[in-house]
Amino acid sequence: DAKTTQPNSMESNEEEPVHLPCNHSTISGTDYIHWYRQLPSQGPEYVIHGLTSNVNNRMASLAIAEDRKSSTLILHRATLRDAAVYYCILAYSGAGSYQLTFGKGTKLSVIP
Amino acid sequence: KAGVTQTPRYLIKTRGQQVTLSCSPISGHRSVSWYQQTPGQGLQFLFEYFSETQRNKGNFPGRFSGRQFSNSRSEMNVSTLELGDSALYLCASSLGSRDTDTQYFGPGTRLTVL
Repeated sequence: DAKTTQPNSMESNEEEPVHLPCNHSTISGTDYIHWYRQLPSQGPEYVIHGLTSNVNNRMASLAIAEDRKSSTLILHRATLRDAAVYYCILAYSGAGSYQLTFGKGTKLSVIP
Repeated sequence: KAGVTQTPRYLIKTRGQQVTLSCSPISGHRSVSWYQQTPGQGLQFLFEYFSETQRNKGNFPGRFSGRQFSNSRSEMNVSTLELGDSALYLCASSLGSRDTDTQYFGPGTRLTVL
């Protein structure tokens, strides 16, 4: 499985933008980039996913590098509720795996 | 639309016992996956069921088993419990038609083995 590398932890001030990086240098052409987050004492929650183009939804934006070897999850205005562990995951279309391979993720702390 | 529900939320068992956990997926979802989360190993995939058939399996011993019913509800069973089985067990559901489908997780069942 293609692997991802994320910083162990990051801090952000409340109401400021947050850029969470993810490196995936061994990504293949049909790997989708998914982001999930896990709030304290909850199950993981889907955030966003993309293949090649940048993506936006109500929760966040996903910026994908042109060579697809890295991506950045952007939270436009961090709130206290955004404090969570963020996981960057590659999902290979056509592998028939139907599973998510979680790494250690980035623990985001939001400072009031 | 109701989310993924898991019962019970908390369980305490002793070594050697067995346990059954239940998961009800989002209506219309046909795939149910199970994950184990521990502080040491993080989130690890156990198995996935689609239309009552196990379609994928992770690297766990045979003591871990599961099944899926015709209404897509799923159960997971762990026999001969060991101390190391103490973990948060998470269930996720998805449409299951593509292997990149978004998975929606339940709140988990916290299992403590004494």
